[in-house]
Amino acid sequence: SAVISQKPSRDICQRGTSLTIQCQVDSQVTMMFWYRQQPGQSLTLIATANQGSEATYESGFVIDKFPISRPNLTFSTLTVSNMSPEDSSIYLCSVLSTGLGQPQHFGDGTRLSIL
Amino acid sequence: AQKITQTQPGMFVQEKEAVTLDCTYDTSDPSYGLFWYKQPSSGEMIFLIYQGSYDQQNATEGRYSLNFQKARKSANLVISASQLGDSAMYFCAMREVWGGSEKLVFGKGTKLTVNP
Repeated sequence: SAVISQKPSRDICQRGTSLTIQCQVDSQVTMMFWYRQQPGQSLTLIATANQGSEATYESGFVIDKFPISRPNLTFSTLTVSNMSPEDSSIYLCSVLSTGLGQPQHFGDGTRLSIL
Repeated sequence: AQKITQTQPGMFVQEKEAVTLDCTYDTSDPSYGLFWYKQPSSGEMIFLIYQGSYDQQNATEGRYSLNFQKARKSANLVISASQLGDSAMYFCAMREVWGGSEKLVFGKGTKLTVNP
């Protein structure tokens, strides 16, 4: 399976600031996704990162708050903008390679705490 | 409506025994996929096992097997010979596919504790 590097692994930020999380894959993948996991909760899809075009956002998530880029088939970034304590979560990148029944594989996640 | 239901917030098992983690799902699509992931306290999501809706046999991967009962819409994970390192959160997820895209819908998870 693809090797996924996600940076930073954790950060503590001040409210009102923004943080960009990077996701790098060691091979070309079909699809890249960004998930959020709030404390003690399950994972929720934020958006699908589309190469060379705007991301596809799920209900409840907007581009102004979570801008996403995917300039090529192996790299994507998620920015958490104007952060508040409610944004304290684990943010996870996942990738999907081609092939029937292939699972999404996840990066190690970014633990984000907002003071 | 919740599409993936995991009714066991927490489970305990003795080391070397088998344990079953429950998962039921809801979909009207004839083609779907079911996944189990493990999340240790360190936070990473580890893929364990996959079951396709058209698969004739239950999936197995080492000590993990999936008890797939399509008519009952259940996809329970069975872990045999539990080890201390199996202590983690376990999430059941269903793949939804549409228009060339897809997403995973996760259940709330089950926290498994393996006792020595």
